[in-house]
Amino acid sequence: AQSVTQLDSQVPVFEEAPVELRCNYSSSVSVYLFWYVQYPNQGLQLLLKYLSGSTLVKGINGFEAEFNKSQTSFHLRKPSVHISDTAEYFCAVSARNTGGFKTIFGAGTRLFVKA
Amino acid sequence: ETGVTQSPTHLIKTRGQQVTLRCSSQSGHNTVSWYQQALGQGPQFIFQYYREEENGRGNFPPRFSGLQFPNYSSELNVNALELDDSALYLCASSVPGQPITGTEAFFGQGTRLTVV
Repeated sequence: AQSVTQLDSQVPVFEEAPVELRCNYSSSVSVYLFWYVQYPNQGLQLLLKYLSGSTLVKGINGFEAEFNKSQTSFHLRKPSVHISDTAEYFCAVSARNTGGFKTIFGAGTRLFVKA
Repeated sequence: ETGVTQSPTHLIKTRGQQVTLRCSSQSGHNTVSWYQQALGQGPQFIFQYYREEENGRGNFPPRFSGLQFPNYSSELNVNALELDDSALYLCASSVPGQPITGTEAFFGQGTRLTVV
């Protein structure tokens, strides 16, 4: 069975400061890892994904994440945040299910960027 | 724009009623998953359909049921609505079976269901 833990429910940060949103996962099989962003009253938008290869993954809007297999983590980082980055961020784990893939989400981290 | 469309966008129903939510998958995607996202929480997996068959189910009661049609569009049906069913319902489509492309789910904007 898969599970995802996002260690912080809320992260307040000042504009132009760096930020890290933490994600740990557990799974008995090989997984693929994702970060999604959700703006108020909208669906989910993919930020980045780790499927294989380099453990440092770069996504949209200046975000990046590093896959650490030994620590079963996939933390999201951005060196300098903007007000517009205020949103809910979800870490997700996808693993093969019969006929396809099943994706499990964490509870989310609300990033609040202050001026 | 992901190519996944859901209807309606908002819906208000009375406790005990039945509701049907619809999802049109991205072109070429034959797998659809449904998620329930309660306020302030992450999406919870309801079930997945692949080639018109249910292919995995989360921890939801049988009054949550679904259909997938030959054109890969899908419906989520909820019977005997309860107040706790109030949530954003998200549909996601993907292409299964391929290690790379099958892993990414494309989400629709969701249907906001309010049960009163």
